[in-house]
Amino acid sequence: SAVISQKPSRDICQRGTSLTIQCQVDSQVTMMFWYRQQPGQSLTLIATANQGSEATYESGFVIDKFPISRPNLTFSTLTVSNMSPEDSSIYLCSVTGAGELFFGEGSRLTVL
Amino acid sequence: QKEVEQNSGPLSVPEGAIASLNCTYSDRVSQSFFWYRQYSGKSPELIMSIYSNGDKEDGRFTAQLNKASQYVSLLIRDSQPSDSATYLCAVSYGNKLVFGAGTILRVKS
Repeated sequence: SAVISQKPSRDICQRGTSLTIQCQVDSQVTMMFWYRQQPGQSLTLIATANQGSEATYESGFVIDKFPISRPNLTFSTLTVSNMSPEDSSIYLCSVTGAGELFFGEGSRLTVL
Repeated sequence: QKEVEQNSGPLSVPEGAIASLNCTYSDRVSQSFFWYRQYSGKSPELIMSIYSNGDKEDGRFTAQLNKASQYVSLLIRDSQPSDSATYLCAVSYGNKLVFGAGTILRVKS
């Protein structure tokens, strides 16, 4: 399976600010996925990021709030914009390999 | 709406017993099914995948799939306290995975 590194691993943010999460994979992958896990909840797919095209967002998620970049086949960023306490979650980058989905260690954001 | 349903638990079993975790899903066209284990504060870890009807065994873990009943389960034999975690069922819809809410498993020594 691919090695997926995320930065930051955790952060405490102020309301109204934005934070960019980075995801680096040790091999080239076509699709990268961004998930959110709110406290005590399961994982919800935010968007799928393909290299060279705009990300595809799931229902309830919009580009203005969660802009995504995918500049090459090993890297992606997710920005959480204009944060509110409701954005306090773990954000997970994931990739597929041999038909299976693997996750990075996640970025735990707390918004005050 | 693609749905994956799990009993949230907690499911408590004594050490050495068999833990049985269940999951149902809504869409008959799903082809791939996964079980993830998530320890508190950690990201999900893939422990089993299953694609065909029947059983698939890997060490102490057995995944069972019944597509006609839209049902997938995970059996953990000889449960250990280290198996205490949240178990997430995930079902593929196209190139996406939809996750259940997870079942909390507690193995008591």
